[in-house]
Amino acid sequence: GENVEQHPSTLSVQEGDSAVIKCTYSDSASNYFPWYKQELGKRPQLIIDIRSNVGEKKDQRIAVTLNKTAKHFSLHITETQPEDSAVYFCAARKNSGGSNYKLTFGKGTLLTVNP
Amino acid sequence: GAVVSQHPSWVICKSGTSVKIECRSLDFQATTMFWYRQFPKQSLMLMATSNEGSKATYEQGVEKDKFLINHASLTLSTLTVTSAHPEDSSFYICSARDMRGPSTDTQYFGPGTRLTVL
Repeated sequence: GENVEQHPSTLSVQEGDSAVIKCTYSDSASNYFPWYKQELGKRPQLIIDIRSNVGEKKDQRIAVTLNKTAKHFSLHITETQPEDSAVYFCAARKNSGGSNYKLTFGKGTLLTVNP
Repeated sequence: GAVVSQHPSWVICKSGTSVKIECRSLDFQATTMFWYRQFPKQSLMLMATSNEGSKATYEQGVEKDKFLINHASLTLSTLTVTSAHPEDSSFYICSARDMRGPSTDTQYFGPGTRLTVL
């Protein structure tokens, strides 16, 4: 089955700096890669996603890049703010008829933005 | 936007009792819903995929007789933890596929249910 590796597990940055979180996936048939932000005790919130026919997508301070050849994708957050502090999860969806659209998640990255 | 609700948000029960958790898509129909379990400081572990009108598909290692799933309508899926024990204590989160618009991939999560079994 699909396997998603996420690094780093923890990341601490100063307010205003950029943060980068990287994920790799194993199944070349995967074609959808969302990123979720989860604050303590809350639900995961979709913050950005990318499909395999696109190499980069940006939404204000957040961007995601995808390298299909290398099977890795990254989340970039610029001008970080304390409210960006949370756990971030990457995920991949395998493209097959039997997948039922289920997502495989990485283990998460705890991002701390220090004021 | 797509809204998914869960009820209850937390529950405390005695060992041996059964607990039912509801997951509802409030403003869209969801033929597919997913149930996850999350331990503290860990990732989301998919338990099962719930399809409206058919049997749920369970992930390897998840006991189907222990975690009963019913997806009786396009807006409601329920997870029943039967004969709960302390090791079943966890954060249970559902998600639903929003099939509206150009994307059928997007999953939206419910707020989660914290189950504590005494």
